[in-house]
Amino acid sequence: NAGVTQTPKFQVLKTGQSMTLQCAQDMNHNSMYWYRQDPGMGLRLIYYSASEGTTDKGEVPNGYNVSRLNKREFSLRLESAAPSQTSVYFCATWTFSGGRETQYFGPGTRLLVL
Amino acid sequence: AQKITQTQPGMFVQEKEAVTLDCTYDTSDQSYGLFWYKQPSSGEMIFLIYQGSYDEQNATEGRYSLNFQKARKSANLVISASQLGDSAMYFCAMREPRGTSYGKLTFGQGTILTVHP
Repeated sequence: NAGVTQTPKFQVLKTGQSMTLQCAQDMNHNSMYWYRQDPGMGLRLIYYSASEGTTDKGEVPNGYNVSRLNKREFSLRLESAAPSQTSVYFCATWTFSGGRETQYFGPGTRLLVL
Repeated sequence: AQKITQTQPGMFVQEKEAVTLDCTYDTSDQSYGLFWYKQPSSGEMIFLIYQGSYDEQNATEGRYSLNFQKARKSANLVISASQLGDSAMYFCAMREPRGTSYGKLTFGQGTILTVHP
């Protein structure tokens, strides 16, 4: 049971290059999220998927696209990377069970855009 | 719009002592959830504790407890018997009402806790 996994762990891009960040979960949770964390700051929501087949914008969606491929996988794509997208990206899932909520995070992807 | 405020950029505590990390929130909703996460220098986000807005008792998880004061809109994290491994960044977060948000979290800026031996 791996929980939430993300690939790659690290990536360096040049301005204008594209890439896809992958996220997968094995907890059978419906909702999945992509956050970014800039240095010294809290996390900000980029996009989320309440359930398979649906996606919605979060607080900072510009420059990103997402795909909820199936219940397990939720990918984040940067079509034309910019230095302002240098950040740590976290994927997460959410569950509500027995009156308690938990949001589980993946290990993060560190992205540097030159 | 929701807002989470953590007013302590950094806190210091002696090993084995208790420490309180402050968190205030602003929402007009009645139903919400409050979370605390720990982020060590390795970078992962570790879930610590959850408090639902309708929960009458303060949440506790081992050495962690959440001092929930609804009228004051505060959700302070109390760590008892601090350990060196508690040195990390701590984030407070709030989940919007379930019916509209499906678990989206809004995070505070974080507090860096340093535990001295």
